[in-house]
Amino acid sequence: DAKTTQPTSMDCAEGRAANLPCNHSTISGNEYVYWYRQIHSQGPQYIIHGLKNNETNEMASLIITEDRKSSTLILPHATLRDTAVYYCIVRGLLRPNFGNEKLTFGTGTRLTIIP
Amino acid sequence: DAMVIQNPRYQVTQFGKPVTLSCSQTLNHNVMYWYQQKSSQAPKLLFHYYDKDFNNEADTPDNFQSRRPNTSFCFLDIRSPGLGDAAMYLCATSRGRQGPSYEQYFGPGTRLTVT
Repeated sequence: DAKTTQPTSMDCAEGRAANLPCNHSTISGNEYVYWYRQIHSQGPQYIIHGLKNNETNEMASLIITEDRKSSTLILPHATLRDTAVYYCIVRGLLRPNFGNEKLTFGTGTRLTIIP
Repeated sequence: DAMVIQNPRYQVTQFGKPVTLSCSQTLNHNVMYWYQQKSSQAPKLLFHYYDKDFNNEADTPDNFQSRRPNTSFCFLDIRSPGLGDAAMYLCATSRGRQGPSYEQYFGPGTRLTVT
């Protein structure tokens, strides 16, 4: 399985853009990058996913480098409610063996939004 | 709102006393997952059901069992809880397991304490 590397923690001022990096240098061609977050004492929440193109939804934007070895999750206007642990996960799909398709959580980045 | 419900939110059990955690969903999803999350660690998949097909992770202890009597409900049984089984137990669902859009929806978790 491809592994991800994320900073252990980050701070961001409220109202500013939060940029969370993730390295996945061993990602293979059919593996997607997923982002989930976990607010304290809650279950993880899906944010966004992508393969090779940049993606945007109502929560965030995902920028994937051309070589696909790294990506950045962008929260455009961070609020205090965005304080959470953010997990970058590489997930293989479209294979018959489920082992490639499960979510394997790494240690994540603890993002703290500062008032 | 369609959702994943876990009861109870907090469960205390005695060392060696069997305990059952429950999960229900109103999403009508085919797949239901159980994760274990110990303090300050990432969630770790224990097993999942694809419809009635049970799929155990290779390193899940035999002490952990699961039942899915119907689409909506899934149970986690811990036959003889040890102190090391104290954790947050997360239930998740997804519509399918092959395909990039099959994100997982998590419940709020049940925090298990073993005394």
